[in-house]
Amino acid sequence: EDQVTQSPEALRLQEGESSSLNCSYTVSGLRGLFWYRQDPGKGPEFLFTLYSAGEEKEKERLKATLTKKESFLHITAPKPEDSATYLCAVPPSNSGYALNFGKGTSLLVTP
Amino acid sequence: DVKVTQSSRYLVKRTGEKVFLECVQDMDHENMFWYRQDPGLGLRLIYFSYDVKMKEKGDIPEGYSVSREKKERFSLILESASTNQTSMYLCASSIPGYNEQFFGPGTRLTVL
Repeated sequence: EDQVTQSPEALRLQEGESSSLNCSYTVSGLRGLFWYRQDPGKGPEFLFTLYSAGEEKEKERLKATLTKKESFLHITAPKPEDSATYLCAVPPSNSGYALNFGKGTSLLVTP
Repeated sequence: DVKVTQSSRYLVKRTGEKVFLECVQDMDHENMFWYRQDPGLGLRLIYFSYDVKMKEKGDIPEGYSVSREKKERFSLILESASTNQTSMYLCASSIPGYNEQFFGPGTRLTVL
């Protein structure tokens, strides 16, 4: 059965304190792993797509990496404006169109 | 930039009412999706459409129907709203063969 699990559920960091969010997945034939950011009361905003193990992508203080079983979203020297919920998603084994989302990690960065 | 718009940000309806949620995208995307998002449950797919007049059920289609008469517009219909349909509803679109989805701002629906 396809599964996407994110950990931790919530994370509180001091400004400048680097950390990582985890997304583990089980799917037959990975066709991409997607990271989104969601601010309260808004729709998810696309961040990255990773397609193969070893691939990395960066955007400002965020870097996403992928292995055969999981992905990490590394946040380097975070700022309060990085506070949001981060979602990862993978296409399910039996559908070419949809995405299965994890439940997200709620990140709070305090000054 | 892709833009996905939803007809209402907030909506309050009564139990038993018929509710229409509208979604419009301006990038000529073939695929469109409706999700609901609830605390602790994450995003769950209700329906999706891969072409005009084509639709497929997602994980939780019960109590919902959809309509896609034009490529840019995808409507979600609650035939008889119930309190357990109180939720945030999110619309998204994507191009075929590429799963990256672009989301609208969401509609927070409350059914009393």
